Amino acid sequence: EVQLVQSGAEVKKPGESLKISCKGSGYSFTSYWIGWVRQMPGKGLEWMGIIYPGDSDTRYSPSFQGQVTISADKSISTAYLQWSSLKASDTAMYYCARLRELERRLGYAFDIWGQGTMVTVSS
Amino acid sequence: DIQMTQSPSSLSASVGDRVTITCRASQSISSYLNWYQQKPGKAPKLLIYAASSLQSGVPSRFSGSGSGTDFTLTISSLQPEDFATYYCQQSYSMFYLTFGGGTKVEIK
Repeated sequence: EVQLVQSGAEVKKPGESLKISCKGSGYSFTSYWIGWVRQMPGKGLEWMGIIYPGDSDTRYSPSFQGQVTISADKSISTAYLQWSSLKASDTAMYYCARLRELERRLGYAFDIWGQGTMVTVSS
Repeated sequence: DIQMTQSPSSLSASVGDRVTITCRASQSISSYLNWYQQKPGKAPKLLIYAASSLQSGVPSRFSGSGSGTDFTLTISSLQPEDFATYYCQQSYSMFYLTFGGGTKVEIK
């Protein structure tokens, strides 16, 4: 079964660091981009960035550039999202998702999603 | 940056109704448009890709149409399990994959 399994919920204080993970299985992890999507409480989906685990090519949304770091360890089929100094406004659900290239060059779509990791930042 | 605007932001409909959700892009994106369904407390699920192609396993009451800047998601006969929020997303710019703001569908 193709799946992405994310690490568990986190409760952190402002200023702390955090790294959450997303482990892929059932497919060639190095052959697909992995994206991260933020969903703040009661709000919509925001694309944060993507990484290609095969060569670690990483692209960020301008809204998140410099705010987070996306990385991957292809040896263990795992992608990461990390913060060096959390803020209360980072409180959100974070999803990883596999980006599939569509046939006939009709773009890309997030076809497999992780279950989400809830990050709560509070003093 | 390509902006995606969905309308309405919410709607209420009865079981069996035909429901239409619209997504508009700030510039032409050809057919590089996907639709997702998100139920409360769950991860999003891909419904439609490339504007009109049904993802495997998705009921045929869902359909998508459009190209350029204007797109539509239609549910031909609304079912109770279709209570969810629906998002469009463009992939014209692969390295800037913006989502629409979402449309919440409530069952009357």
